[in-house]
Amino acid sequence: KNEVEQSPQNLTAQEGEFITINCSYSVGISALHWLQQHPGGGIVSLFMLSSGKKKHGRLIATINIQEKHSSLHITASHPRDSAVYICARHTRMNRDDKIIFGKGTRLHILP
Amino acid sequence: NAGVTQTPKFQVLKTGQSMTLQCAQDMNHEYMSWYRQDPGMGLRLIHYSVGAGITDQGEVPNGYNVSRSTTEDFPLRLLSAAPSQTSVYFCASSFSAYNSPLHFGNGTRLTVT
Repeated sequence: KNEVEQSPQNLTAQEGEFITINCSYSVGISALHWLQQHPGGGIVSLFMLSSGKKKHGRLIATINIQEKHSSLHITASHPRDSAVYICARHTRMNRDDKIIFGKGTRLHILP
Repeated sequence: NAGVTQTPKFQVLKTGQSMTLQCAQDMNHEYMSWYRQDPGMGLRLIHYSVGAGITDQGEVPNGYNVSRSTTEDFPLRLLSAAPSQTSVYFCASSFSAYNSPLHFGNGTRLTVT
């Protein structure tokens, strides 16, 4: 069982739609990462957050620590947003300092 | 700034061969890590390091060795390659795993025949 669950696995939407991708995790965290992987394979960091909300351009990430849940929102979606979005949780426990990833959400924005 | 540099980009090995995947960063990051990415599995942690001289196992460490003799370099060694190690490998670094973003290398596509 993956400790980080993302939904949906796949999402197709029309250009301009508001997009929400969800991430749930099962243990307490030190930080939650959102990443983007384009079809070429490169992975870039979008957000790293441990509480509240962060915004960068049309992207917004929120986290609810009590509910162990985070969401990534894309406003006014565009075909160039088509990518795989990955959430990952970092937990520091005893000697462990691991980052565990979800399986990703494949987003396709139609023009 | 070069960021995180991974080499090679592609590699084909025969079963039983050994090789080292190189990862170097020039950002003075303490945290470095190796992942493999397989279809339907997402990124899985192989080994990680929180600083020079310190390494630890991730989710899927078997068949792989690492060392961290300097802050900059974190090579991943396959001791005796197996077809199950066919995958795309990513190296990542950050100043600190819990309060700074991750920087990824461009990946190494490894095929073991």
